[in-house]
Amino acid sequence: EVQLVESGGGLVQPGRSMKLSCAASGFTFSSFPMAWVRQAPTKGLEWVASISFDGRNTYYRDSVKGRFTISRDNAKSSLYLQMDSLRSEDTSTYYCAKDDGYNNYFDWWGQGVMVTVSS
Amino acid sequence: DIVLTQSPALAVSLGQTATISCKTDQNVDYYGNSYIHWYQQKPGQQPKLLIYLASNLASGIPARFSGRGSGTDFTLTIDPVETDDTATYYCQQSRNLWTFGGGTKLELK
Repeated sequence: EVQLVESGGGLVQPGRSMKLSCAASGFTFSSFPMAWVRQAPTKGLEWVASISFDGRNTYYRDSVKGRFTISRDNAKSSLYLQMDSLRSEDTSTYYCAKDDGYNNYFDWWGQGVMVTVSS
Repeated sequence: DIVLTQSPALAVSLGQTATISCKTDQNVDYYGNSYIHWYQQKPGQQPKLLIYLASNLASGIPARFSGRGSGTDFTLTIDPVETDDTATYYCQQSRNLWTFGGGTKLELK
């Protein structure tokens, strides 16, 4: 069974950095694109970033370009999100999601990790 | 960016039909496929894929759920509605990067 387990969240001050990780199992991680999707408290879903199966291509929403970096380690079946220059509006639950690899929908999701940006 | 618009909430009686709409501001069709997908999210849980490419039922999803539409207008139908269906439903496009609709909260009357 596919499992995606996020870690690395918590409380961080504005302007500081945080790195999220997602450990994947139950599928051939190196064959599928992956994504991060976030959800602010009581708000809807918001796509953050995606990465191709081999890590060569990355995509970001405008509001995080230049501040967030998505990466992956296929040898470790792990996905990462490096978040720099964090702002209060980045406060959200961050979900790791598996992309189906062809039509670009998200067929599996992790349970999410909370990131709170506050002084 | 492609913008997806959903009604915020819908109240339906048990056993009746729920129809949730999603309208896009740009055509999301490409080579015969509509790049619209639907997810269900219950409180405190991660989203779950229900429908992909507008009308295809995801694995393990009951046949009470169905989707249709093309171009810029799409619907998710639940027939009949059961107690367990109370949740927020999101549409998402993958025609050009990825965006989600604002979500429709389904409640029982």
